[in-house]
Amino acid sequence: QQQVRQSSQSLTVWEGETAILNCSYENSAFDYFPWYQQFPGEGPALLIAIRSVSDKKEDGRFTIFFNKREKNLSLHIKDSQPGDSATYFCAAMSSNNRIFFGDGTQLVVKP
Amino acid sequence: DMKVTQMPRYLIKRMGENVLLECGQDMSHETMYWYRQDPGLGLQLIYISYDVDSNSEGDIPKGYRVSRKKREHFSLILDSAKTNQTSVYFCASRSGTGGYEQYFGPGTRLTVL
Repeated sequence: QQQVRQSSQSLTVWEGETAILNCSYENSAFDYFPWYQQFPGEGPALLIAIRSVSDKKEDGRFTIFFNKREKNLSLHIKDSQPGDSATYFCAAMSSNNRIFFGDGTQLVVKP
Repeated sequence: DMKVTQMPRYLIKRMGENVLLECGQDMSHETMYWYRQDPGLGLQLIYISYDVDSNSEGDIPKGYRVSRKKREHFSLILDSAKTNQTSVYFCASRSGTGGYEQYFGPGTRLTVL
């Protein structure tokens, strides 16, 4: 059973729009939810993360909205830029060192 | 500057040959990971190492083994490589003392012919 699910394999938005990437998870014990950004030919890099005690985390144009009751979260990218085109991985973790990744959403921002 | 390095970056091997992928980190992180990434499948965990000589299987360990003799170095070994092991392999590390972030290397693209 997949622990973390991302609802879209791909998403295309126009420059300036808000991109919304959705994610859900299975295990109520997860308490840390990072989003990783990956450009072609590179390893994933941490973009932004939220703890389960919060319902929102903002960092510049990137915001995570978290719903613990529904076990889902979303990444909002405001004012999307072509340079944001990348694959975004939602992940979930508890304290046992295991991190579970979703399959990724490939975002394309058209100029 | 926190860094995870991987060598080699590209590798072509023939089926049945042995493969050694190397990973290093300069952060003294206790925990290290090996993943493989295939199109549409995200990141699949092969092995976790909690420290020197303390390794655990991940979700897809079959056909792989690992070695960690120094904290800063973690190797992935494929004995008698198979064509279905063609993939991009990522190493990652994480501090065991409360830090949650995983730092990834740049990846090794392995092709098994």
